Amino acid sequence: GQSLEQPSEVTAVEGAIVQINCTYQTSGFYGLSWYQQHDGGAPTFLSYNALDGLEETGRFSSFLSRSDSYGYLLLQELQMKDSASYFCAVRDLNTGFQKLVFGTGTRLLVSP
Amino acid sequence: ETGVTQTPRHLVMGMTNKKSLKCEQHLGHNAMYWYKQSAKKPLELMFVYNFKEQTENNSVPSRFSPECPNSSHLFLHLHTLQPEDSALYLCASSQESPGHYGYTFGSGTRLTVV
Repeated sequence: GQSLEQPSEVTAVEGAIVQINCTYQTSGFYGLSWYQQHDGGAPTFLSYNALDGLEETGRFSSFLSRSDSYGYLLLQELQMKDSASYFCAVRDLNTGFQKLVFGTGTRLLVSP
Repeated sequence: ETGVTQTPRHLVMGMTNKKSLKCEQHLGHNAMYWYKQSAKKPLELMFVYNFKEQTENNSVPSRFSPECPNSSHLFLHLHTLQPEDSALYLCASSQESPGHYGYTFGSGTRLTVV
């Protein structure tokens, strides 16, 4: 089967940088995604890494190391509106291309 | 709105009731999904439809019955549910083709079974 591990909660202050780690176990890895979900809202797609390295999209960057089965989401210049839950998710080929498996999520609390 | 609309937003039902959740996507995507989100648990994939054909049933109890009449609409029919089925039910869609990797989720239906 597949499993993903993330910290349950991270706290930081406005303007800081925070890194949310994700380690995964899967036999047919295809790609690592990140989603953001505000309380009461829909999960929204942030980024996707299929290959090793860093992908940058504005204040958010995502990193993948396939050899370490590890990735992280880096949030820079934190703002209050970044307080939300962040989920990593993997696409697993062995269980079907479309089966996107999610981690339990990391709750980010940004304080003034 | 995200392009995926779910109704109702909230639903309270008794264990003997029958109800349906509706999902509609306006994005022209070719795949749709039902996920269950419970507190302190990962999002659990329930059903996958690709071009209206069900391609995945993730060992979901038969009291949950999906229906996909066309590529834009997805339903989840509920009957004789249990209190442990109370959760947020999320619909998502995606374009399953090279270069497209993200799912678009609806805001979900908060279901309470009493």
